Amino acid sequence: EDKVVQSPLSLVVHEGDTVTLNCSYEVTNFRSLLWYKQEKKAPTFLFMLTSSGIEKKSGRLSSILDKKELFSILNITATQTGDSAIYLCAVDSFGNEKLTFGTGTRLTIIP
Amino acid sequence: GAVVSQHPSWVICKSGTSVKIECRSLDFQATTMFWYRQFPKQSLMLMATSNEGSKATYEQGVEKDKFLINHASLTLSTLTVTSAHPEDSSFYICSARVNRDTEAFFGQGTRLTVV
Repeated sequence: EDKVVQSPLSLVVHEGDTVTLNCSYEVTNFRSLLWYKQEKKAPTFLFMLTSSGIEKKSGRLSSILDKKELFSILNITATQTGDSAIYLCAVDSFGNEKLTFGTGTRLTIIP
Repeated sequence: GAVVSQHPSWVICKSGTSVKIECRSLDFQATTMFWYRQFPKQSLMLMATSNEGSKATYEQGVEKDKFLINHASLTLSTLTVTSAHPEDSSFYICSARVNRDTEAFFGQGTRLTVV
């Protein structure tokens, strides 16, 4: 069975700090890894990663995948209070249409 | 990006009644949609995969007779919580993908409270 583990489970930092969120996985026939941000309601998409070593970047957020070591990280620099949310990592595999989600990391930014 | 609309956004019902939640893909066709349940401060738990024109595939531990899923068209899937009990109170979210090379788009979610 596919498995996704995120760490830390929760993180509290001050505004302006940089944070790194981790996602490790065990899946059969890996296809892609996705990061989502969930505030109060539905998750919103951040990144989809399919290849190792290629950084994806969007503003202060960036993410990279390591398919050899089976993990991904999500970096957020110069954090702002609006970054407070649950960050979810999910993995997609060939032959299985569903996404397997990790437990999420609850990030809290203190002003 | 693609839009998935979920309705209602919140509902309160009495114990023993049934509640239907709709999930629509507004600008694309979705042969497959997914239904999740989320408890407070926890991650998304997949309940079932909804397949257009065929029976849903339920995850282990999810009662198919209690959570009825119908995917009658390429743009609509419904989840009916039958004979609801207070322990069914939760946040239910649907999602769909345009294809396997794109991200999953989520509905706004439905907060169900059973009293």
